[in-house]
Amino acid sequence: NAGVTQTPKFQVLKTGQSMTLQCAQDMNHEYMSWYRQDPGMGLRLIHYSVGAGITDQGEVPNGYNVSRSTTEDFPLRLLSAAPSQTSVYFCASSYSTGLAAYNEQFFGPGTRLTVL
Amino acid sequence: LAKTTQPISMDSYEGQEVNITCSHNNIATNDYITWYQQFPSQGPRFIIQGYKTKVTNEVASLFIPADRKSSTLSLPRVSLSDTAVYYCLVVTNDYKLSFGAGTTVTVRA
Repeated sequence: NAGVTQTPKFQVLKTGQSMTLQCAQDMNHEYMSWYRQDPGMGLRLIHYSVGAGITDQGEVPNGYNVSRSTTEDFPLRLLSAAPSQTSVYFCASSYSTGLAAYNEQFFGPGTRLTVL
Repeated sequence: LAKTTQPISMDSYEGQEVNITCSHNNIATNDYITWYQQFPSQGPRFIIQGYKTKVTNEVASLFIPADRKSSTLSLPRVSLSDTAVYYCLVVTNDYKLSFGAGTTVTVRA
């Protein structure tokens, strides 16, 4: 199993550009989520999904869109990049939903995004 | 929303036990306490989770007192490879939680 994969590993954007961060998992996990990690602030939840066709907002959803058309994929879209979105983005998945969703989340290697 | 507070950093030496205490004063009755480990340029990795009293696995122990307002992650006999950032978080049932700032543990030879 490849686990959770993310592409690209690095990306530089100009303000106003849009792009999609890809996330895929091959573990048949129902729960998937996106976090951003900024220095001194830990990880903050952007969006999450408890299954195909179901998404919801986390703590910092503004400026980001998600969709979940399949169990395996959970792309994160930046609509109009801003310097404040410069961060490291992590995708994660878990075998279960509800309280158990955070029992053991598997994280991808991250995407380092810089917005100029 | 349960908020966690943990020390910013801790230093230790190889072979010692490291204890990291996390406070979560407004934890709800059904919330779990979970710890993750993160190495540079990697995603976090699940270590251990508990609800009350004590939980032990092959890498760590988690101690939770009766009032559940704090918890302590114990790493026995640390090695240089245990140098990492450790995150405490309280697992709620509304998904709108975030990891705290984390504790940077540095193990020296």
